[in-house]
Amino acid sequence: QKEVEQDPGPLSVPEGAIVSLNCTYSNSAFQYFMWYRQYSRKGPELLMYTYSSGNKEDGRFTAQVDKSSKYISLFIRDSQPSDSATYLCAMGGEKTGGGADGLTFGKGTHLIIQP
Amino acid sequence: NAGVMQNPRHLVRRRGQEARLRCSPMKGHSHVYWYRQLPEEGLKFMVYLQKENIIDESGMPKERFSAEFPKEGPSILRIQQVVRGDSAAYFCASSPGQGGYTFGSGTRLTVV
Repeated sequence: QKEVEQDPGPLSVPEGAIVSLNCTYSNSAFQYFMWYRQYSRKGPELLMYTYSSGNKEDGRFTAQVDKSSKYISLFIRDSQPSDSATYLCAMGGEKTGGGADGLTFGKGTHLIIQP
Repeated sequence: NAGVMQNPRHLVRRRGQEARLRCSPMKGHSHVYWYRQLPEEGLKFMVYLQKENIIDESGMPKERFSAEFPKEGPSILRIQQVVRGDSAAYFCASSPGQGGYTFGSGTRLTVV
C-alpha cells in the first residue's frame, strides 16, 4: 500500500460546479497536511495548510482533515476555468513531529473546468 | 521578495556529464528541500538541508547525487555521471521552519 493515494483523474466538471478532491494515507504519524496547485511546467503553489483534524476555509477553497479515517479533502466552490490544473496533496511531520520535515506527496489529480 | 529562485530553468547534459542545479531560498527561510518529479509521478522528497548541514537525505539515491547548502550562496544539487533515468524536473522548496513550503519553478534536466 502506498503511503498516499490520490486518484489521478482527469476530473472534468462544468464551470461553477463544486469540486471535491481527496487523498487517503496509511501513516497515522503524519501531523500536517497541505494542498498544492500545479500548472503545467510550473512549480507547485501552496493553497491550504492544516495542522489538525477539522475544516479550514480560505475564499473558495475548503480543506478537510479526518485523521481517524486518514482522509483529507479539498473543496473548490464556484469553480473557474482558471482552476484547471493538477492538485497535489502533501503531508509531513511523521519523522520529528515538527513543521520542517520533507513532505510526502500524492501523485496529483488533473482537474479540468469546462467553460 | 523574489520567492524561491532556481537556475537554470532548463539543463541538457550528455550521459556521463555532471549536472549542477542551484536554488536560492526565500529571504528569511533557512530550510531548503529538494524534490524530483518524474513524468506521470508525484513529487518525491530527496533531501532537507539547513545552512552547512544535511538534516535528512533519506530520499537521495545512494550514488552520484549530493547536495549542499553553504554558509554563503545558494543550495546546490549535484548529479555526477548523469544517465537517461535522471531526466526529470527538480524542484527546490524553502520554509521558515513552520508552515507551508514555497516551491521554485524547477529545473528541467534532460539527459541525451
